[in-house]
Amino acid sequence: GAGVSQSPRYKVAKRGQDVALRCDPISGHVSLFWYQQALGQGPEFLTYFQNEAQLDKSGLPSDRFFAERPEGSVSTLKIQRTQQEDSAVYLCASSLLVGGHEQFFGPGTRLTVL
Amino acid sequence: GQQLNQSPQSMFIQEGEDVSMNCTSSSIFNTWLWYKQDPGEGPVLLIALYKAGELTSNGRLTAQFGITRKDSFLNISASIPSDVGIYFCAGIYNNNDMRFGAGTRLTVKP
Repeated sequence: GAGVSQSPRYKVAKRGQDVALRCDPISGHVSLFWYQQALGQGPEFLTYFQNEAQLDKSGLPSDRFFAERPEGSVSTLKIQRTQQEDSAVYLCASSLLVGGHEQFFGPGTRLTVL
Repeated sequence: GQQLNQSPQSMFIQEGEDVSMNCTSSSIFNTWLWYKQDPGEGPVLLIALYKAGELTSNGRLTAQFGITRKDSFLNISASIPSDVGIYFCAGIYNNNDMRFGAGTRLTVKP
């Protein structure tokens, strides 16, 4: 496709459930980023991939959060044993270059944990 | 960490008016960017600034990278209804760590 796509767009989970959020970046983009956006706030950095290598995961809030990009294209953000404070919009962005100053964002997945 | 203070939090203006918003930080950034986010969508890049003192325009939008590298502003001239949305500043210190401000919510009354 022409842009970054994410699925599902909306996810409702019961507390304690595991969830998996998918990101399809723009074809050929080297860099991929995940962000968490709480209501009324700006996005907060979670993790960064350069091709299949996860070079920075300093923003992941706990060890319940795990991301992968095994073939250097599609990425999955997994959250285990979801908690209410995990409720947020999860945004994926990709960039053509290493580091990627000009990032193209997907529409996000809105996660609600009950 | 590097925090960005964005102001104002919200603005209510009349169509045709000019708008100005800014972002400050106690830390230095190497790149400043301005994004616009519509409801249910991801942020869209408006302007990227790479050099201290740089002034860049994109149509009715003008943004500047402050000389101290600790601030940036965005101006929108002759606002129109489709300018409605949330505007975010973002700063990059190293290659992959982009920090966002809390956003300025713009409402334009026709």
